[in-house]
Amino acid sequence: GQNIDQPTEMTATEGAIVQINCTYQTSGFNGLFWYQQHAGEAPTFLSYNVLDGLEEKGRFSSFLSRSKGYSYLLLKELQMKDSASYLCAVRDPSNDYKLSFGAGTTVTVRA
Amino acid sequence: EAGVAQSPRYKIIEKRQSVAFWCNPISGHATLYWYQQILGQGPKLLIQFQNNGVVDDSQLPKDRFSAERLKGVDSTLKIQPAKLEDSAVYLCASTLGLVTYEQYFGPGTRLTVT
Repeated sequence: GQNIDQPTEMTATEGAIVQINCTYQTSGFNGLFWYQQHAGEAPTFLSYNVLDGLEEKGRFSSFLSRSKGYSYLLLKELQMKDSASYLCAVRDPSNDYKLSFGAGTTVTVRA
Repeated sequence: EAGVAQSPRYKIIEKRQSVAFWCNPISGHATLYWYQQILGQGPKLLIQFQNNGVVDDSQLPKDRFSAERLKGVDSTLKIQPAKLEDSAVYLCASTLGLVTYEQYFGPGTRLTVT
């Protein structure tokens, strides 16, 4: 089966940095995804990691350690518009490459 | 490029009634997914189509839920009869192929069962 854990909520100040952790236990692994979901909207793709290491994309970075079953999403220079839910999802080739999602981390950015 | 379209955006029904949702994926996308997202949870896959064939429907409550993608393009998801616990957002997503990594989501249909 798939087990994906991430914190429920985080709060940070505008301009600060926040790190959202995700741990997973899956039968197989073929990539970890981060999606952003604003309240009442559809998830939008942020990042994809399949090899160990850090992937940087503007203010957002994502890190993966396959041996530890661990990833984090780093949000830098936080803006009010970054207030959203951040979903960690793992693709499992032993499960028809389906995505299994965590419950999401709600990030609130305060002025 | 037009995104994934879904309708209706909102639906309120009473328990034991029927409801249907429609999804039109991005043009050329062979793989289509229906997810159920209950408030405070991540999306849960209900069914996955590859063209007009079902790849996986292991988490679809088949006694009340059905889905089809007859021509391999748009798709409908039906609930009959609805229960209170079906209140959720139903998201449709599509990808070019089975192993393509980025899924594109539609805006979702928010269903409230009273």
